[in-house]
Formats: sequence, structure tokens, C-alpha cells
Amino acid sequence: DTAVSQTPKYLVTQMGNDKSIKCEQNLGHDTMYWYKQDSKKFLKIMFSYNNKELIINETVPNRFSPKSPDKAHLNLHINSLELGDSAVYFCASSQDKGVGWGHYEQYFGPGTRLTVT
Amino acid sequence: SQQGEEDPQALSIQEGENATMNCSYKTSINNLQWYRQNSGRGLVHLILIRSNEREKHSGRLRVTLDTSKKSSSLLITASRAADTASYFCATDAPSGAGSYQLTFGKGTKLSVIP
Repeated sequence: DTAVSQTPKYLVTQMGNDKSIKCEQNLGHDTMYWYKQDSKKFLKIMFSYNNKELIINETVPNRFSPKSPDKAHLNLHINSLELGDSAVYFCASSQDKGVGWGHYEQYFGPGTRLTVT
Repeated sequence: SQQGEEDPQALSIQEGENATMNCSYKTSINNLQWYRQNSGRGLVHLILIRSNEREKHSGRLRVTLDTSKKSSSLLITASRAADTASYFCATDAPSGAGSYQLTFGKGTKLSVIP
């Protein structure tokens, strides 16, 4: 059983297109995340989301938007794709934030490699 | 700005040797976590050490935390070829407005030669 799954695994598209990446977790977690990993393997948080709040990294362009139909899903929509959006995108989940001790460990999906041509 | 930085960037050892990776960070943290990433795969959580802990063990892994120096180390003993991967430290620290953020370093690429 896959804990955190993402589709598609690979996505090749042209500049200017709009695309979505889907993420599902079956761990019963309350918090989900999207990360972007660039070609130098630097992993950067884009969004964190639970039933109560969406926290957006201020450096993320508003062309990126998370959509959560329910607690187990957090999809990533990207409008007007640009060459610089090419990267590997990871979805992750964790239990809700621990009071006083910050986040619990996160469980990552296998990643979606997005290539914009 | 980047919180955690691993050192070295790359490490190559023979199977059976120990591997030590270091992580330095800049601000006060709630906890520090280590993750492993095999090539082409997602990150896998290895160990979490809280800010009031100094050392933690899990199997062949030993993590230390020195909050006065804002640094942590990950020791993998008796390395195996299967340990070949990139290892990331991640610090959990306040990001403002009462929220917390997990910030990853750039990772150490470990190669274990059979």
C-alpha cells in the first residue's frame, strides 16, 4: 500500500500550458505539503495545508495554486507554465503540527518530474 | 534564506566504513530531522531529534545535536552499498505568524563502494 502517491510521475509540456499534479495520502494525516526540488537537489517548501489553514511560501508565484477536495488529497495546479518551472515536485504529509515541538516527520511521495519545453 | 547546510557535499567510502555527515543551521529550532533520498525517489524520514535531546540512535544511525553550536551530525556505522543515497537535514523552526516550517539543506551525496 502506497502511503503518499502522486500522478503523473513524469510530465512534459510546453510553455504557457496549464497543468495539474495530483497527490493522495492514505495515512490519515491532517497536514499536506508541496515541495519543489531543483536540478541541484535543493528542496524548497511551496505550501503547507490542513483543514484550517493554507500557508504559502511568499516566494511561490501565484501561478501555482493548491486545491484540496478533501483531507486525503492536495493537488497542485500550475498556470502559464514557464521554463523555470522545470523541476521535481514532491507531495508530503504529516500528522498535524505537534504542540510545542513543531512538525512531526513527513512522508513523501515519489515525485513528479515536470519538464517545460 | 536557507536554514540547514550539510557538509560535506559528497562523500565516498568503502563498504564497512563509517560515514559522518554534518549539518549546520542558523536559527533556534524545535527539532531537527534527517532524511534519505535514493536516486529518482522521494525522501524517506530517518530520525527526528528534539531540541532538548543531545543524541539519538536508530539501528546503525546515530544523530547528535549541539544547539549551542547550531549543528548536528549523522553517523552511519558499518556502511553498506544500499546506503548509497543523498542525505538531508531539515530544521523545524518558526516561520512567522505562529506557524512552523521544515527547511531542508542541500544534502550530502553518499556513495558506498562495495
